[in-house]
Amino acid sequence: EAQVTQNPRYLITVTGKKLTVTCSQNMNHEYMSWYRQDPGLGLRQIYYSMNVEVTDKGDVPEGYKVSRKEKRNFPLILESPSPNQTSLYFCASRAGVYNEQFFGPGTRLTVL
Amino acid sequence: DAKTTQPTSMDCAEGRAANLPCNHSTISGNEYVYWYRQIHSQGPQYIIHGLKNNETNEMASLIITEDRKSSTLILPHATLRDTAVYYCIVRVHAGGTSYGKLTFGQGTILTVHP
Repeated sequence: EAQVTQNPRYLITVTGKKLTVTCSQNMNHEYMSWYRQDPGLGLRQIYYSMNVEVTDKGDVPEGYKVSRKEKRNFPLILESPSPNQTSLYFCASRAGVYNEQFFGPGTRLTVL
Repeated sequence: DAKTTQPTSMDCAEGRAANLPCNHSTISGNEYVYWYRQIHSQGPQYIIHGLKNNETNEMASLIITEDRKSSTLILPHATLRDTAVYYCIVRVHAGGTSYGKLTFGQGTILTVHP
C-alpha cells in the first residue's frame, strides 16, 4: 500500500531534549515536506526537499533541522525543543512538484 | 499564490450533494485550483484539482467559473464520513520557487448530519 509513515505518532518530551521524528514514503517520490499545524494558524511548511541531499527552508524553519540521505526518508530533528514547538506535525511527499501531495498520519508533539 | 476565501462552516444532510464554494478573485492565469480535506487531525487528503475546465473523479466534481474567480467542490452524495475541513488552494503550476508548497487557509468545516 502506498503510504507515508511517521514515528512516533505521539510524543511528550521536555525542553532541551533532542528528538527526531521519522518520516518514510514507499512511493519513490522525489519531493518531501514537513508541516506543522496549530489552531488558528493552519498548516505551515517547515522544510522541504526536492531530492536526496537537496533541502530548503519553508515558512517556519527556526528550531528545526532536516536531512535527506535516502530518497524514502526525511527525518525532522529538533535539537533543543521548546514549548512553542508543541504542535501537530505532518510529513508529506509527492512525485513531482505539481503532483498531489500525500500526507502522513501526523505526530502530535508536546514539549513541557 | 492567490488568496482564497471560503465559508467558515457548512451543513449537509446525508445522501444529499454538498456544494462547497471558494472565492479566488485574484487568481492568475497559470494558477490551478486544488482541493484537499482533513478529517479530524488526520493528514490532509487530496481530492481534486483543475485549471479552467470542470473536473470529476471518483471523489468529487470541481466546477470553475468561466472567469476563474470562483469554484465549487461538489460531493454528489455526502456521507457521515465526509465530515471534515475542506481546503481550497490555488497555486502556480509552472515555474516559480514554491517547490510544492501548499498554503492552507482556514478552510470550510463541513458537517454531514443524518
